[in-house]
Amino acid sequence: ENVLTQSPGTLSLSPGERATLSCRASQTVARNALAWYQEKPGQAPRLLIYGASTRATGIPDRFSGSGSGTDFILTISRLEPEDFAVYHCQQYVESPPLTFGGGTKVEIK
Amino acid sequence: EVQLLESGGDLVQPGGSLRLSCAASGFTFSSYAMTWVRRAPGKGLEWVAAISGDGTYIFYRDSVKGRFTTFRDNSKNTLYLEMSSLRADDTAVYYCAKNFRNGMAFYDWWGQGTLVSVSS
Repeated sequence: ENVLTQSPGTLSLSPGERATLSCRASQTVARNALAWYQEKPGQAPRLLIYGASTRATGIPDRFSGSGSGTDFILTISRLEPEDFAVYHCQQYVESPPLTFGGGTKVEIK
Repeated sequence: EVQLLESGGDLVQPGGSLRLSCAASGFTFSSYAMTWVRRAPGKGLEWVAAISGDGTYIFYRDSVKGRFTTFRDNSKNTLYLEMSSLRADDTAVYYCAKNFRNGMAFYDWWGQGTLVSVSS
């Protein structure tokens, strides 16, 4: 099983600041098969990024994904009030069980 | 627009059973694999089970094998998760999610989730 470790666990930032979230895999994620999701309380999670760097439909360009191999980054260039949420990475290379990271909470400082 | 609406979550005693439903609309349901993902309190998302569009291929995580069964009724655009022998560590919000496309098991649409609490 490819274990994904997200860091930091919590990121305290102010609106307008840049957020950098890390997702590290215990094994190479082939074909950059890594996705990022945003989750807010009481709402459906939302797909942000797939293929490590492709923005999903309707996702603002302040969200960007990068990385390859075992190290991946989600960057939010300038935090908007609606961006404070929990972010999850997921690898989808391997046959089940597919794995998610433990999540990073981005909170208002 | 795509909508996924889960239902059936409840408080149940250890060893009990529950059936979750996920009503889908806004897309050709039978053309897409569907997945159940859960989020236990204080923990990250966890993949639970997946089923192909025609219901032929089904996968489970080891911890639920033999206890959970997922199936779908494409005539009703509905996905199900039958859970039995429930344990405290099954307590979670359960989401159904639509696979992006065949062979790409990430999820472009999710429901809002339904809460399953296992406690005496």
